[in-house]
Amino acid sequence: DAGVTQSPTHLIKTRGQQVTLRCSPKSGHDTVSWYQQALGQGPQFIFQYYEEEERQRGNFPDRFSGHQFPNYSSELNVNALLLGDSALYLCASSGELQGATSYEQYFGPGTRLTVT
Amino acid sequence: QKEVEQDPGPLSVPEGAIVSLNCTYSNSAFQYFMWYRQYSRKGPELLMYTYSSGNKEDGRFTAQVDKSSKYISLFIRDSQPSDSATYLCAMSPNTGNQFYFGTGTSLTVIP
Repeated sequence: DAGVTQSPTHLIKTRGQQVTLRCSPKSGHDTVSWYQQALGQGPQFIFQYYEEEERQRGNFPDRFSGHQFPNYSSELNVNALLLGDSALYLCASSGELQGATSYEQYFGPGTRLTVT
Repeated sequence: QKEVEQDPGPLSVPEGAIVSLNCTYSNSAFQYFMWYRQYSRKGPELLMYTYSSGNKEDGRFTAQVDKSSKYISLFIRDSQPSDSATYLCAMSPNTGNQFYFGTGTSLTVIP
């Protein structure tokens, strides 16, 4: 079982650019949540995808958007990057496929985004 | 007021000590409680999860939930240097909802 995987590991972008981050959930999971973790802070919820739809959204602007594919993998897109978007972006998966327990949420290693 | 409050520490203990980590929360709807361990520049690793009130034990780790006081704890017995990490509490009202995280407590176990 590969667990939750994310790509890329690190990314450096310039203000105003756009970025796409990718996530593959743990086997047996069908729900993907995205979090932003600033240095020294806990993860902040961005949104959650289930059945290819955004099911819930945190307090993040529309510059943050996402997508979930039929194989349950997901993308996070951020447009018009700001310096304040520099953070560790974490993907977490959960769900009830194949006997998994829905509330157990497992995280990937994260993508570290630096905006200059 | 934040949904979840957690003392950021840092906490430094000698090897073998019992460690107590705590979080308080304000939303009485929270029912699902998690503890994660996060090593520097890595993703959080799920340690313990509990539903509603009560205790749960797994090896050297014990999680306690007191919903009447809106207070959760994680105890680490016989702490090891490898336990040195940041510990995050997280909680949610429902399985389909977002998890709310504390800011994390930084723990160092000194050999």
